Amino acid sequence: KQEVTQIPAALSVPEGENLVLNCSFTDSAIYNLQWFRQDPGKGLTSLLLIQSSQREQTSGRLNASLDKSSGRSTLYIAASQPGDSATYLCAVCPSGTYKYIFGTGTRLKVLA
Amino acid sequence: DAGVIQSPRHEVTEMGQEVTLRCKPISGHNSLFWYRQTMMRGLELLIYFNNNVPIDDSGMPEDRFSAKMPNASFSTLKIQPSEPRDSAVYFCASSPLQIGEQYFGPGTRLTVT
Repeated sequence: KQEVTQIPAALSVPEGENLVLNCSFTDSAIYNLQWFRQDPGKGLTSLLLIQSSQREQTSGRLNASLDKSSGRSTLYIAASQPGDSATYLCAVCPSGTYKYIFGTGTRLKVLA
Repeated sequence: DAGVIQSPRHEVTEMGQEVTLRCKPISGHNSLFWYRQTMMRGLELLIYFNNNVPIDDSGMPEDRFSAKMPNASFSTLKIQPSEPRDSAVYFCASSPLQIGEQYFGPGTRLTVT
């Protein structure tokens, strides 16, 4: 059974720092992996989607990598800003299914 | 595009009452998902529709929960009768592909007293 873990559960950093959020999954047989952002009281916004054949995806200050063999993905945020404060969730779609399995998220706070 | 639309945004009801949550997916998306989010269990998939047909409802917790998608632009999630443990945020998401990027609505925060 696929399980998705995100560490740390919470993170507080000063503005301007580069930071890395981690996501690990137990079964390497996946279709793709998505990183989402969730603001308090809001829905989820898809940030990056990495197909199983890809190693990384980039969008602006965000870079997500995928290492299927080790069951890991990282979300790198460059030059963090207070506006980046949110909960970040990763979700894995196991091969042979359409169901995304979500991690419990990392709550990020960027201090001005 | 307006994105995924959900209504109501907030619902407070008494135990035993019927609750109906509504979702309008993004036009052209043929996959629709209902999720429930709680502090204890995180985000859980309840049911998935593809081309208006329920494909997998194994995540629906009990027979008190039912979902329909009468056409490509509308879906409902009904709870009858509601119980306090149903209190959660319910999200609807749609996708242009069966396996692809999902677009979430703003959610409905349900409180059952």
